[in-house]
Amino acid sequence: EIVLTQSPATLSLSPGERATLSCRASQSVSSYLAWYQQKPGQAPRLLIYDASNRATGIPARFSGSGSGTDFTLTISSLEPEDFAVYYCQQRSNWPSYTFGQGTKLEIK
Amino acid sequence: EVQLVESGGGLVQPGGSLRLSCAASGFTFSSYDMHWVRQATGKGLEWVSAIGTAGDTYYPGSVKGRFTISRENAKNSLYLQMNSLRAGDTAVYYCARGDILTGYYSYWGQGTLVTVSS
Repeated sequence: EIVLTQSPATLSLSPGERATLSCRASQSVSSYLAWYQQKPGQAPRLLIYDASNRATGIPARFSGSGSGTDFTLTISSLEPEDFAVYYCQQRSNWPSYTFGQGTKLEIK
Repeated sequence: EVQLVESGGGLVQPGGSLRLSCAASGFTFSSYDMHWVRQATGKGLEWVSAIGTAGDTYYPGSVKGRFTISRENAKNSLYLQMNSLRAGDTAVYYCARGDILTGYYSYWGQGTLVTVSS
């Protein structure tokens, strides 16, 4: 099983700041990695797929990069609605799409 | 508009059974792989099962032999039969649609809570 490790577990920032979230895979997943955002009481929402492609309707302040085992989600300038939990997910071995443990982005 | 609506959650005793349903609308259900994903309170996301368009099924080791995923295309419905339930199965269960091109979960239901407790 491919294990995804996200860091940091919690990130405390202020609106307007830049956020950088990391996801590391236990083995190469090529570019088959996605990022989801989840707010309390809601289902996750797909933000980025295949490492760097924004999903439909996702603002340009969200960007993804990386390949192989190391990936990054960047939020260029935090808006109040961006404070949430973020998960990475790999689809390298269908259909066992494992998730990372999440990074909580909280208001400082 | 794509909609996924789960139902069937509730309180069940350890060792008991429960059947979850997911009603799909707004898309050609038979053309998509479908998945169940769960989330224990305050915890992360865990893939639970998948069913392909041909009815092929897949499970992680944690539920294999206890859970059965199925679909009924004529009713646009997805199911999860859960047997021999354990306290560790307590979670919100989401159904999710796998995108045809990318495979990722572009649509999710709102979730249904399953609580396994005596």
